[in-house]
Amino acid sequence: DAMVIQNPRYQVTQFGKPVTLSCSQTLNHNVMYWYQQKSSQAPKLLFHYYDKDFNNEADTPDNFQSRRPNTSFCFLDIRSPGLGDAAMYLCATSREGTANNEQFFGPGTRLTVL
Amino acid sequence: AQKVTQAQTEISVVEKEDVTLDCVYETRDTTYYLFWYKQPPSGELVFLIRRNSFDEQNEISGRYSWNFQKSTSSFNFTITASQVVDSAVYFCAFDSTLMNTGFQKLVFGTGTRLLVSP
Repeated sequence: DAMVIQNPRYQVTQFGKPVTLSCSQTLNHNVMYWYQQKSSQAPKLLFHYYDKDFNNEADTPDNFQSRRPNTSFCFLDIRSPGLGDAAMYLCATSREGTANNEQFFGPGTRLTVL
Repeated sequence: AQKVTQAQTEISVVEKEDVTLDCVYETRDTTYYLFWYKQPPSGELVFLIRRNSFDEQNEISGRYSWNFQKSTSSFNFTITASQVVDSAVYFCAFDSTLMNTGFQKLVFGTGTRLLVSP
């Protein structure tokens, strides 16, 4: 029944060591989003894909990259994690990404940077 | 720019009490959507409701009800007879459709943590 799946749920990495977070969906939605949520803060959009079209938020650091090899999967790559990148990373999907479409969220991956 | 304010950082109630979570938004748009999401300790954001700017009817769903007032730019959420399982962080969000892509971008408030004790 799981619709938006994120792996792993918990990820520990070392300062500067590249890490990849994974998201998959069974909804066949066109749009996939990545959000960063730091402790006690609101989720913040990093970027989104409509199909294979990538849209980066203006204030998303270059350290964050994303790949979407097919409709079902989307990856978040953090090239050189810093201590400030420790956060919950949430993946979401939307059928068409328009205002009348709700976003479906995964359970998140909590990233710890040592 | 759109902005969502949830002034209540944390609310503590005892089970069976009613509780209202406040949400105030700012926008110059005439057409927009407002959302409420629940984030339990497990971390997943759970969609609760979507309301468009043309529909000011209050909505009730079981113990949940929402009061949308355009005149005061508020979209408040009330839980009646609260239960321990209602303990979570609740986010109010505004749909900001991105001008360059035409796609939805949710702007979240900072959330209200609700603690319901037995």
